This record gives sequence, C-alpha cells and structure tokens, in this order.
Amino acid sequence: DTAVSQTPKYLVTQMGNDKSIKCEQNLGHDTMYWYKQDSKKFLKIMFSYNNKELIINETVPNRFSPKSPDKAHLNLHINSLELGDSAVYFCASSLLGSGRTDTQYFGPGTRLTVL
Amino acid sequence: AQKITQTQPGMFVQEKEAVTLDCTYDTSDQSYGLFWYKQPSSGEMIFLIYQGSYDEQNATEGRYSLNFQKARKSANLVISASQLGDSAMYFCAMRESQDSGGGADGLTFGKGTHLIIQP
Repeated sequence: DTAVSQTPKYLVTQMGNDKSIKCEQNLGHDTMYWYKQDSKKFLKIMFSYNNKELIINETVPNRFSPKSPDKAHLNLHINSLELGDSAVYFCASSLLGSGRTDTQYFGPGTRLTVL
Repeated sequence: AQKITQTQPGMFVQEKEAVTLDCTYDTSDQSYGLFWYKQPSSGEMIFLIYQGSYDEQNATEGRYSLNFQKARKSANLVISASQLGDSAMYFCAMRESQDSGGGADGLTFGKGTHLIIQP
C-alpha cells in the first residue's frame, strides 16, 4: 500500500564512509526528487529525475549522486560523508503535467547521522 | 529575497478554534502552484491542499481551505475547527513554471509554522 517508500529509515555512520539511501514509488509517477531537511526543519530540493534523466541539480556537493535504475526508483549515493551531511533526506514523486497532478508525494524520510 | 515567507514561527491555538497560517510568495511567473504540507512530530510530509495560480476559486479540502489573494501574493491556510491532531509543522511551498508541463522543478519551501493546539 505504501506509495513512496525509503530505506533505511535511520542511518548512523562515521565520517568518510560511503552510504546509499533507496527510494521506490508505486504511484506510476514519472518524476522523482530528493530533498534535504536540515536541523532547523528547512527543506531544500537537491535533485529531480524525469524518465531517467536528471532535470535539475541544485548546488549540492558532487559527493552526492542520484541514480535511477527505472522510473519507480531513485537512489541517493553519498561518498565521503561529512558531519554537515547529517539531516533528514526525503524522497518524493509526482506526475508531470499541470495543476494538481504535479503534487509531490513524499516518502517517510531517512534520518542520516554522521559521527 | 525569500520566495516563500511564513512569518509565524510558532502558534498556540485553543482546540475547536479556526486557525490561519500565513504565507506570502514571490515569483515573476504567471503560472505557478502553491502547496501546503503538514509535518507531524513523527516526521512524514503530508500533502494538504493545492492552489493553482489560474484557479479562480479558493481551494478547499475538508477542514482545510486556502485563502488565495493573488494581487497580494498570499496563500494563507485556514484550518476550521482545530483538533489536537492538527498540532504539527506546516509548510507552504511553491512550484513555478507549471504551464509548460515540462521541467521537473522542485518545490521551494517556506521555513514553516509550528502549530500547537491546546485542549
């Protein structure tokens, strides 16, 4: 039944490690996104993918790389983790078009803690 | 300049009262969409309501309504008959350039309002 799912829900790791967060949607959407929510609850877009093509890439470090094997999945790989990467990462999806169909539905979030 | 401004960092409201959460936005686009999301303490982001820039009527979804004043660039969320379960963070967000149907722009969020409903 889950519309947008993410794994893991919690991720605790050491500085310098490489980690991945997985995202899957079963809504039939064609666009997926990654957002970062910082400690002050501010949400910022990181990436979006439409039909396996990266559409936007905000000014995030190139240690972050989204990978989409198909339009139902968008994984986030992070290399050489730093303390400042600690945040909640949200995956979202939508169906491109106009109006309400563009509504983005969010996954439950992954809380990443870098020690 | 901020694109989405939510001026109320926190609000305390008595149960059953109506609540208005403020949101102003800044865009030069003619076509855009405005969204409200709720984030309870459990952390998930829940979509509440959508208003398109060309919609002539204010959007409503159950107890939620959006007071859309285009000339003032405001999109306030109104919650009628508040309930204890409405206690959460509320985010206003905007998506620009919707007309083309192409481009996968992300949402621009405001800083949120922490709403606490008191019994």
